[in-house]
Amino acid sequence: QVLLHESAPGLVKPSETLSLTCTVSGASISNTNYYWGWVRQSPGKGLEWIGTVYYNGNTYYNPSLKSQVTLSVDTSNNQFSLKVNSVTAADTAVYYCARHHFHSLFDPWGQGTLVIVSS
Amino acid sequence: QTVVTQEPSLAVSPGGTVTLTCGLSSGSVSTSHYPSWYQQAPGQAPRALMYNTNTRSSGVSDRFSGSILGNEAALTITGAHPDDESDYYCVLYVGSGISVFGGGTKLTVL
Repeated sequence: QVLLHESAPGLVKPSETLSLTCTVSGASISNTNYYWGWVRQSPGKGLEWIGTVYYNGNTYYNPSLKSQVTLSVDTSNNQFSLKVNSVTAADTAVYYCARHHFHSLFDPWGQGTLVIVSS
Repeated sequence: QTVVTQEPSLAVSPGGTVTLTCGLSSGSVSTSHYPSWYQQAPGQAPRALMYNTNTRSSGVSDRFSGSILGNEAALTITGAHPDDESDYYCVLYVGSGISVFGGGTKLTVL
């Protein structure tokens, strides 16, 4: 069974950098058949794709967030990560990681982690 | 900026059939957009239902089916159950590695 688990600080101050990590178990992040993605959901709002990373470091970003986010992968620890720069209250959200069958399916998903941006 | 459109809300009677749609602001949806669908219960992570237009994810009931209807992707739920009451999201691949979520449909079973 493939499981994903997000970890992040629950509270981040405005203008700081938010760092999140997704740990994958039950599958190798180096599997060439899969990509790995991040999705977020602001309180009471819909889902928003942030970006997707491949095991070799290739990245794909939501154009509206591209200037603010960076994705990376750590194959030795079977993890992938998201950094969000210069956060504002608008970055308050539940952040999900998911395996991304490229072009298509996001499955499975992590349980999500709530990040609040506040001073 | 590509916008993926969904009905904000729909209602269906228990045992009834409902079709949710997923459209594109910039044209028609086709299988080349690899439509996928997700169900999200309150406070829960999304659950994959359908991908590549009409392939059910593992463990998903055959009451759920996917298709292209006219210019849109569609998710049809037959024999609606009370526990189908959830938010439903579609995702379209729009090229260059970019995926776009629709705004979601809140389905009420009443």
